[in-house]
Amino acid sequence: EIVLTQSPGTLSLSPGETATLSCRTSQSVSSSDYLAWYQQKPGQAPRLLIYGTSIRATGIPDRFSGSGSGTDFTLTISRLEPEDFAVYYCQQYEKPPRYTFGQGTKLEI
Amino acid sequence: QVQLQESGPGLVTPSGTLSLICVVSGGSISNNNWWNWVRQPQGKGLEWIGETHHSGSTNYNPSLKTRVTISVDKSKNQFSLNLNSVTAADTAVYYCAKEGGYRLDSWGQGTLVTVSS
Repeated sequence: EIVLTQSPGTLSLSPGETATLSCRTSQSVSSSDYLAWYQQKPGQAPRLLIYGTSIRATGIPDRFSGSGSGTDFTLTISRLEPEDFAVYYCQQYEKPPRYTFGQGTKLEI
Repeated sequence: QVQLQESGPGLVTPSGTLSLICVVSGGSISNNNWWNWVRQPQGKGLEWIGETHHSGSTNYNPSLKTRVTISVDKSKNQFSLNLNSVTAADTAVYYCAKEGGYRLDSWGQGTLVTVSS
């Protein structure tokens, strides 16, 4: 089982700044297709932001970008907007079919 | 755009069975997707429970495999989750979600299930 460790646990920033969120996997992710990021606001379901490591999901602004390979992946949010303050989860897929999530990073003002 | 909606009892007694249904609208459950269940204890992270395909195939989280059954009802365009021998540790918000190629691209709003006597 691959374990995903996100850092920092909490990130305090202001609107207009840039957020850099890290996701480290315990084993190398075998395909860039297998890494995704989600945003979750209080009382809401997670929303897919990034898939395939760096592809923005439908309707996601270009302020959101993903990168990385192997065991180190990054979600970058540029020009933070008030609505960006939420919890972010990374997720990886492995075979046999299984999804594993990181513990989350809370982005707060 | 596919929409998903969970339903089921909000309260389950310890040692009982948790049963939820996810109704799919705006698309057919017989499309070539996998249909998933994910849960989230209050204030904690996300845990994948398992998935099913319209063919009847399933995959489960090994940590829950002995207690979980996920099945599909094509005639009703819905799929279901059964989790038996529940304890307080199974108290969580349960989400259904559609797989879209190694990621979960559509989610239901979630339903809170509390295990308590």
